[in-house]
Amino acid sequence: GNSVTQMEGPVTLSEEAFLTINCTYTATGYPSLFWYVQYPGEGLQLLLKATKADDKGSNKGFEATYRKETTSFHLEKGSVQVSDSAVYFCALSRISSGSARQLTFGSGTQLTVLP
Amino acid sequence: DGGITQSPKYLFRKEGQNVTLSCEQNLNHDAMYWYRQDPGQGLRLIYYSQIVNDFQKGDIAEGYSVSREKKESFPLTVTSAQKNPTAFYLCASSIAGRDTGELFFGEGSRLTVL
Repeated sequence: GNSVTQMEGPVTLSEEAFLTINCTYTATGYPSLFWYVQYPGEGLQLLLKATKADDKGSNKGFEATYRKETTSFHLEKGSVQVSDSAVYFCALSRISSGSARQLTFGSGTQLTVLP
Repeated sequence: DGGITQSPKYLFRKEGQNVTLSCEQNLNHDAMYWYRQDPGQGLRLIYYSQIVNDFQKGDIAEGYSVSREKKESFPLTVTSAQKNPTAFYLCASSIAGRDTGELFFGEGSRLTVL
């Protein structure tokens, strides 16, 4: 079946450090890929997405590239801020159209950024 | 402001009791969802509804029930049949007619069974 594997947290970085959160997936066909973020005390919100191989999603300084050859969608940011402290979820859609009702989520990675 | 409102934020229940979690949205979204979030396990889909008076089971529907009598409302009942109900519950919605995979989430309800 479809699955998403994220690097285990928690991840602790100093402000302005480089961030990578690894995400790999197993799926049939050509899924769409997503990163959602959950700030403390809030629900999840979409951070970025990519719908086909080699697409790069980007938002708020975060980037992720859909790599079909390595089945990966790693999240990166060049310089993290304290306000980036949150839990990050990688997700895939089971069908290529990216249907919300077919999302499979990873287990989440807690990021803490220290001043 | 448009958004999704879940209530209560925290709820305690004794074993054997049913409890209903409220979810209301004013985004005019057609589709609504309930997810369960457990530590280290990500989100799992309980039920979803694409239109009023229709809903479908997700991956872990056993021990839960829902209704969709109004477009704005999608309450979730955690019944006594749910073996391990202590969890964080998230309600979400999306635009069914233009389904891009984006979900809009509420702030969640934390249920603790004593």
